[in-house]
Amino acid sequence: DIQMTQSPSSLSASVGDRITITCRASQSISGYLNWYQQKPGKAPKLLIYTASSLQSGVPSRFSGSGSGTDYTLTISSLQPEDFATYFCQQTNRIPYTFARGTKVEIK
Amino acid sequence: EVQLVESGGGLVQPGGSLRLSCAASGFTFSSYAMSWFRQAPGKGLDWVSTITGSGSTYYADSVKGRFTISRDNSKNTLYLQMDSLTAEDTAIYYCAKDQYKLLSFDCWGQGTLVKVSS
Repeated sequence: DIQMTQSPSSLSASVGDRITITCRASQSISGYLNWYQQKPGKAPKLLIYTASSLQSGVPSRFSGSGSGTDYTLTISSLQPEDFATYFCQQTNRIPYTFARGTKVEIK
Repeated sequence: EVQLVESGGGLVQPGGSLRLSCAASGFTFSSYAMSWFRQAPGKGLDWVSTITGSGSTYYADSVKGRFTISRDNSKNTLYLQMDSLTAEDTAIYYCAKDQYKLLSFDCWGQGTLVKVSS
């Protein structure tokens, strides 16, 4: 199975900050990397698919990049509604696997 | 509007069975692969199973032989039959719609809680 590792596991930031979350795969996943946002008690929401494509309806302050084994999610200017947990997921190979997430908290 | 609504969760004893349902609306259900994911309390997300529009099925090793995914395209409903349940299966179960060629999952249900306990 492809192992996904995300860092940091948590971070504290202020509204307006630029933050970056990193996701690393145990082998190349050829860009088949998605980012989801999850708020407490809610289902995950797709933000970015295939590494850098912005899902329809998602604000442009979210962006993704990367290739091979290393990927990043960037929020250019953190907004109050962005405080949540973020997960990366690989869909290069079944079983689809997720990293354990990054919790973004208010500083 | 695309909508997925899960049902069928609850408390079940170890070794017991449960069938989850996911009612879909707002899209041509038969044209899309559908999947089940789960999330143990306070934990991350795990993929459980996928069924394509043509009926091909895939399972995580942890549930293979115990869980069965199926769909009824005439009812726009996805199912997950869960047998031989253990405490490790306790989780919120989400159904999710494939966006395109199983590369991402663009719509998720609200989840249904399965608790396996004596």
